[in-house]
Amino acid sequence: EPEVTQTPSHQVTQMGQEVILRCVPISNHLYFYWYRQILGQKVEFLVSFYNNEISEKSEIFDDQFSVERPDGSNFTLKIRSTKLEDSAMYFCAMGLAGTDTQYFGPGTRLTVL
Amino acid sequence: TQLLEQSPQFLSIQEGENLTVYCNSSSVFSSLQWYRQEPGEGPVLLVTVVTGGEVKKLKRLTFQFGDARKDSSLHITAAQPGDTGLYLCAGGGVNFGNEKLTFGTGTRLTIIP
Repeated sequence: EPEVTQTPSHQVTQMGQEVILRCVPISNHLYFYWYRQILGQKVEFLVSFYNNEISEKSEIFDDQFSVERPDGSNFTLKIRSTKLEDSAMYFCAMGLAGTDTQYFGPGTRLTVL
Repeated sequence: TQLLEQSPQFLSIQEGENLTVYCNSSSVFSSLQWYRQEPGEGPVLLVTVVTGGEVKKLKRLTFQFGDARKDSSLHITAAQPGDTGLYLCAGGGVNFGNEKLTFGTGTRLTIIP
């Protein structure tokens, strides 16, 4: 299975602070996704990204969230002003064009205090 | 809104027994992915099924996609302690290719030596 890497593995932040989560893409996998999983709950879709544009976003992905691929390699998720309820595991996923198969990274555990 | 329900939620059986877990929806999916997730880690892809009625085998694991593409099952033969984990199904969008995945509620499987 193609390997997706994410940094950091853990992030602890104070409420109201900005955090940036990073994902290193797999070669030739051009479709990027972010999901989150609150402890004990389902994996939930946040946003999909292709060709430097958001393809689809969920209701969770409000104005506090943004995604970009600033240097053509790493794919980032920014949360501008974190809330307590943003505490969760955040997973980056990637896929090849024309498939539904997505490969997930190991996740970043975000804790907002 | 597409929803996926998995059953049972928890399953604990003896080593060597066979088991089946189910993933059901009232919605049609373009594909169905099965993942396995360990605590604190990202989902690891087991299989993707895309055609109604499709059956795929992965060693002792057999995956089937329902004829109407609304449900799927995972059958494990002669379960081993190494099969212990959280099994997740995830459906692709209505249109095949690069849409968000909708995750099920998960089946937590414990194999007792």
